[in-house]
Parts: sequence; structure tokens; C-alpha cells
Amino acid sequence: AQSVTQLDSHVSVSEGTPVLLRCNYSSSYSPSLFWYVQHPNKGLQLLLKYTSAATLVKGINGFEAEFKKSETSFHLTKPSAHMSDAAEYFCVVRGTSGGYQKVTFGTGTKLQVIP
Amino acid sequence: NAGVTQTPKFRVLKTGQSMTLLCAQDMNHEYMYWYRQDPGMGLRLIHYSVGEGTTAKGEVPDGYNVSRLKKQNFLLGLESAAPSQTSVYFCASRDGRANEKLFFGSGTQLSVL
Repeated sequence: AQSVTQLDSHVSVSEGTPVLLRCNYSSSYSPSLFWYVQHPNKGLQLLLKYTSAATLVKGINGFEAEFKKSETSFHLTKPSAHMSDAAEYFCVVRGTSGGYQKVTFGTGTKLQVIP
Repeated sequence: NAGVTQTPKFRVLKTGQSMTLLCAQDMNHEYMYWYRQDPGMGLRLIHYSVGEGTTAKGEVPDGYNVSRLKKQNFLLGLESAAPSQTSVYFCASRDGRANEKLFFGSGTQLSVL
């Protein structure tokens, strides 16, 4: 079985300050991990993905995430928040279950950026 | 290249009515998925397909049926709509390679009165 837990449902930061969105996962096998972003009234867009080539993954718009196997974490960070970063962020794990690949989404973290 | 197209974008149904949501992708992807998104619940997998002619149940399949008669299309059916099915529905697809990202449609907002 696999699961993903986003530890914060809401995160509020001031513009220009760092962003940290936390994600822990559970998977029987080496997982594939992703972060998606959804802006209000929009579809989902891939921010970054973990491909096992490097533990620190760089994504679009200055976001990055670090895969830590010992902590089963894949936290999303950005050094300096911008107003346009206000959105909902989903951590996603993909693994094999019953012979098929399944994709499991976290419950989402809403990021508020305060001017 | 249109990517993943969902129709319709909005729909209002009365309890007990039926409808079909269509998802079409033009990327020759093997895998297709239907999710529903509800506040505070994230995206929950309804059904998915790993290829033409195949379907499988996800986390919340009750009250829905799907079909994948053609590789490019994945249909989600509600035979007898219930207010609990009021949600935003997203279709997604990807090819069969490992670590390939999901491509999402723009969503269908469904209200069941």
C-alpha cells in the first residue's frame, strides 16, 4: 500500500520569505514522487518530479524538493515567495499495487502569500 | 496539440439523472485516470485504465462506471446522479514509461441538485 501525507492544510508566508510545504510518503517500493500546483480555477500543473537521479530536484518557478529516504519525506521549498505562488500544492506518489501503477495524491496545501 | 480535453466544462444535474463525461487525449498515452476533487480531500482516484479495453477501480469507484473503447478516449458515466457526486472532476493521462508526468484536463464542474 502507498500513501502520502501533506502535513499542513494551509501555509501563510510573507512575500519575499521562504516557503516550506511538507510531504511524507509511504510506499512498499522505491516510489516516484511529484509536486503539482493548482492555481484558482485552473487545472493542475507539474512543478517537479523525483526520478532517482538526484535527491535534490529543481522545478519550475524557483521551487525545489529534496528526497530524503531515511525520513520518507519530499518537502517542497522556495527561497523567496512571490504573490503569484499563491495556489494549492499537491504532493503525489506513484507506485505499483496489484501489478498496476497507481497514483496517490495528498490532500493538498493551500499557500497564502501576504504582501 | 490539444493535450487532454474534457467535455463538458460545467453541468448541473437533478438527482437520479444520468450523464457521461468525456476525456480525450491526443498524445497516444496508455494510462488514463479519472479523479474527483473535493475541498480538503485532495484528488481521489475514481477509476483508471492502463490501456485500450481495460479499466480498474480506484479509491472511490461506487456510483461511477467507465469505458475505454478507444485508446484516446476515457468515458466516465454516472447512471443515477446523487448530491454526493457534486464535485470537480479531472481527467489525466500519461504514457507507460516510469516517472512520466500526468497531463491533466481543465476539469468538469458538476453540481447535482
